[in-house]
Amino acid sequence: NAGVTQTPKFRVLKTGQSMTLLCAQDMNHEYMYWYRQDPGMGLRLIHYSVGEGTTAKGEVPDGYNVSRLKKQNFLLGLESAAPSQTSVYFCASSYPSPGTGTGNYGYTFGSGTRLTVV
Amino acid sequence: AQKVTQAQTEISVVEKEDVTLDCVYETRDTTYYLFWYKQPPSGELVFLIRRNSFDEQNEISGRYSWNFQKSTSSFNFTITASQVVDSAVYFCALNLDTGRRALTFGSGTRLQVQP
Repeated sequence: NAGVTQTPKFRVLKTGQSMTLLCAQDMNHEYMYWYRQDPGMGLRLIHYSVGEGTTAKGEVPDGYNVSRLKKQNFLLGLESAAPSQTSVYFCASSYPSPGTGTGNYGYTFGSGTRLTVV
Repeated sequence: AQKVTQAQTEISVVEKEDVTLDCVYETRDTTYYLFWYKQPPSGELVFLIRRNSFDEQNEISGRYSWNFQKSTSSFNFTITASQVVDSAVYFCALNLDTGRRALTFGSGTRLQVQP
């Protein structure tokens, strides 16, 4: 099925452990994003990519790294997990939508990864 | 930088009541896009609507309607005759016509519809 797939869906880490979250899309979208969702704070942008081989920081990048070696995959890494990184992580890709305006973009979100750091 | 404010943290209504969710945004850009998403208890994000900054027509889709007013930088969402299935967290979001095109989200409004 076409869309954005996130793996894993759930994970529990111990403080100091590392892990990688994988986001895969099969829609040939150029732009991809990683967000975290915390209670009462909405979704906040961690990192994003405007194309294969490019990444950039969002609003809350500390403690995370990303890579986009292939257009369809966007990886989010936690090198040394901290309890403050307990959150739900969403990946998204964006595409130009038909209609007026060159910036008229739509977004496809993954189903989320619930990460708990103890 | 852009900002989206959803001042209502939680709203509780009884089924069949009408309810309006407020959204106020800030941006210096003249071209931008506004969105509403629904997040049901299952956790996924469900797209509801996208509006362009140069189209201030209000929109109605079934029991849902949206009021976009540039003069007050607001994009409010009304559910008419609410149902229990409308219980969810609703997010308003904004993106710009340039750059990273990432969505900036409000903090969300939790709507509880009681039977």
